Amino acid sequence: EAGVVQSPRYKIIEKKQPVAFWCNPISGHNTLYWYLQNLGQGPELLIRYENEEAVDDSQLPKDRFSAERLKGVDSTLKIQPAELGDSAVYLCASSLSSDRAYEQYFGPGTRLTVT
Amino acid sequence: DAKTTQPNSMESNEEEPVHLPCNHSTISGTDYIHWYRQLPSQGPEYVIHGLTSNVNNRMASLAIAEDRKSSTLILHRATLRDAAVYYCILRGGATNKLIFGTGTLLAVQP
Repeated sequence: EAGVVQSPRYKIIEKKQPVAFWCNPISGHNTLYWYLQNLGQGPELLIRYENEEAVDDSQLPKDRFSAERLKGVDSTLKIQPAELGDSAVYLCASSLSSDRAYEQYFGPGTRLTVT
Repeated sequence: DAKTTQPNSMESNEEEPVHLPCNHSTISGTDYIHWYRQLPSQGPEYVIHGLTSNVNNRMASLAIAEDRKSSTLILHRATLRDAAVYYCILRGGATNKLIFGTGTLLAVQP
């Protein structure tokens, strides 16, 4: 069974440029999460989807960050415009449902460097 | 959200047991205790979780104190592949979120 797929694995952009990250969760997993991980810190939840609905986006900086999961399967996280402080690893995770949130499966992440 | 406290780092020798401690003195009655680990350059990986009773699975054992204010993740025979950051997480209450701390960096010496 394929795990959570994320692309790209690495991205280097200049500040003020837009960037997008893509995630394909494990087949059949209804719940999808985007996390941000700064160096030396644990992941922090940005947004959680139940199918195509964003049910928790309280930690998503909405002035520059947006996300979508149009068909309830794969998802895209966008930053526009990027700032130097956005350099971090962006992790996608999925679980069968929110009831199974204790067992989340994480992708390898996208390492973003903003110069 | 209830907070966990873990040592920043620990060392172990290969093939020896490892006991990773976690303090969570403000845990509420409905909070589950979770452990995840993160290997270098990978996303976190679920290890084990429990509520009140000790738990075992193929990866590890979780020992929960009777008052639930602390717990210990036990790796019965450490291998070099177990070198990772181990996160102790409380999940429960209204948010039902996993809130990661900074974890314990486990080094395993051959």
